[in-house]
Amino acid sequence: GENVEQHPSTLSVQEGDSAVIKCTYSDSASNYFPWYKQELGKRPQLIIDIRSNVGEKKDQRIAVTLNKTAKHFSLHITETQPEDSAVYFCAASKGSSASKIIFGSGTRLSIRP
Amino acid sequence: NAGVTQTPKFQVLKTGQSMTLQCAQDMNHNSMYWYRQDPGMGLRLIYYSASEGTTDKGEVPNGYNVSRLNKREFSLRLESAAPSQTSVYFCASRDEGGRGYTFGSGTRLTVV
Repeated sequence: GENVEQHPSTLSVQEGDSAVIKCTYSDSASNYFPWYKQELGKRPQLIIDIRSNVGEKKDQRIAVTLNKTAKHFSLHITETQPEDSAVYFCAASKGSSASKIIFGSGTRLSIRP
Repeated sequence: NAGVTQTPKFQVLKTGQSMTLQCAQDMNHNSMYWYRQDPGMGLRLIYYSASEGTTDKGEVPNGYNVSRLNKREFSLRLESAAPSQTSVYFCASRDEGGRGYTFGSGTRLTVV
């Protein structure tokens, strides 16, 4: 089955700098890659996703890139702000509504003022 | 439109007790899922239901049972709770376009 590895487990960046979180997946049949943000004590919330027919997707200060050949995908946050502090999870799925989503172990991002 | 609703929000059980976690969604989604979240372990899939009338095991099904009561409701049952089942439990559903989940607010379960 699918296995998703995520690095780093913790990340601390200066406010205004960029943050990058990297993930790899094992199942070449996976074609949908969502990213979730979870604030302390809250539920995970979808922040951006990408499908395998696209190499990059942007939404304001966040972007995701996908390298299907290497089975790598990454989350990039630019101009970080205090409200970006949270745990971020990458995930992979085969993309149909019936398919389960497998999550990485999470990255705790802290923004230093 | 409430999305995904979970009850209860908090629960303390003694070892060996049983309980059922309830989940309901009002988005007309076919697929529903139960995850547990432990510190440093991310979200691990317990069971899922691709459609009404079907259920399948996930990564960590031992010690749990599920029921897909109808299209809206998907319950998780602990028959004989163990301290290792202390965790936060999230229910989720997924839309027909195959986009990511909508999660419930979670149930924080402690087994003593």
